Amino acid sequence: QQQVKQSPQSLIVQKGGISIINCAYENTAFDYFPWYQQFPGKGPALLIAIRPDVSEKKEGRFTISFNKSAKQFSLHIMDSQPGDSATYFCAASASNYQLIWGAGTKLIIKP
Amino acid sequence: GAVVSQHPSRVICKSGTSVKIECRSLDFQATTMFWYRQFPKQSLMLMATSNEGSKATYEQGVEKDKFLINHASLTLSTLTVTSAHPEDSSFYICSARDFGRTLYFGEGSWLTVV
Repeated sequence: QQQVKQSPQSLIVQKGGISIINCAYENTAFDYFPWYQQFPGKGPALLIAIRPDVSEKKEGRFTISFNKSAKQFSLHIMDSQPGDSATYFCAASASNYQLIWGAGTKLIIKP
Repeated sequence: GAVVSQHPSRVICKSGTSVKIECRSLDFQATTMFWYRQFPKQSLMLMATSNEGSKATYEQGVEKDKFLINHASLTLSTLTVTSAHPEDSSFYICSARDFGRTLYFGEGSWLTVV
């Protein structure tokens, strides 16, 4: 019940295309859903986060879509660029603030 | 955004020695700091959670006598790998939480035990 399932494991998208990464959870106590971006050899960096009281949050080319009833949330990267090539992690936490991580998605944007 | 500094970024030590990794929150007070370990092409594995001034809480399977965590102030936490062995070689990452929900991560430390 503590798991966050992330898919796909890897993703190749053409430059300019839309990258979509999906996550699903079981624990209804989760109330904070961040996405992190990690470049090789670096620590993760917060990209965008959402709370369950909204269905969508957009920051620049990055959008989180949240479906509370389905217990799913996804990251959309519009107009994907080669610089977006990285590993993306979804996560979730409840009131104890401990993040439960997805397995990660390696995204490659082809020029 | 908030900055978490982790040092050293790379360290090589001999088997049997100890090595210390520092994690500092530079522009905010960290109520809680977390230490993670990450294996190649895998997700982050939480090792322990530490609150300032109290003992760290270790995850199941993490040897607390081997991975000593000290959170002496609201801006500094240290991880000491004692009697390091080659199997301890890994990428260690710290993160810090301010009074909100956001976790800010350090750049990570590559430990190689030879």
